[in-house]
Amino acid sequence: QSALTQPASVSGSPGQSITISCTGASSDIYDYKASSDSYDYNYVSWYQQHPGKAPKLLIYEVNSRPSGVPDRFSGSKSGNTASLTISGLQAEDEADYYCTSCTRSGSALRFGGGTKLTVL
Amino acid sequence: QVQLVESGGGVVQPGKSLRLSCVASGFSFNIYAMHWVRQAPGKGLEWVALIWYDGRNEYYVDSVKGRFTISRDNSKNTLYLQMDSLRAEDTAVYYCARLTTAWSLDYWGQGTLVTVSS
Repeated sequence: QSALTQPASVSGSPGQSITISCTGASSDIYDYKASSDSYDYNYVSWYQQHPGKAPKLLIYEVNSRPSGVPDRFSGSKSGNTASLTISGLQAEDEADYYCTSCTRSGSALRFGGGTKLTVL
Repeated sequence: QVQLVESGGGVVQPGKSLRLSCVASGFSFNIYAMHWVRQAPGKGLEWVALIWYDGRNEYYVDSVKGRFTISRDNSKNTLYLQMDSLRAEDTAVYYCARLTTAWSLDYWGQGTLVTVSS
């Protein structure tokens, strides 16, 4: 069972925007700060994987993009849920998308179950 | 450019052993932590193991603890995964990947397929 929960599938038409959520279900992947009623959940990354290919890093530290990743891809976080938004959908965006976060102890990486994006 | 090339996969019987290798090039291997991640056929990605840059610390997913050993030889720019007591459920494509300080995997190998079957 994944410590991070993602929808199994999402779909959209070319040119549209879609959002994929990633919800932390385990307390060891983020710190709850009672003083601010917030979650320290900053080491969230997102990956894109096309069939038969290795995953590719899209987003790190919640909302940063590696060099070469189009700005159509963006990340955000609210409470214990991180999100990946893809705007201006293109046919080549059809792929599987995974979120990850490290455990609070820094001794493991957790993957979400993955979301299959279909471009209609 | 950064390259990670895995090898060592194949078909193996349940209970047997296999060692995977991942040769790194194009970067200073000895200053990066490295991971193994696997993907069973038709399934999602699963983190398997992590080793710190100097090899001093290793961590594993519960399902492989006591059976798999991650190691590295920084003089050879090579990461290893020794897999013992293999089970059918270990059948997967195994990827090695480089860890950044932001806990993201910025470079991945092409993967090597391990099939555990009698």
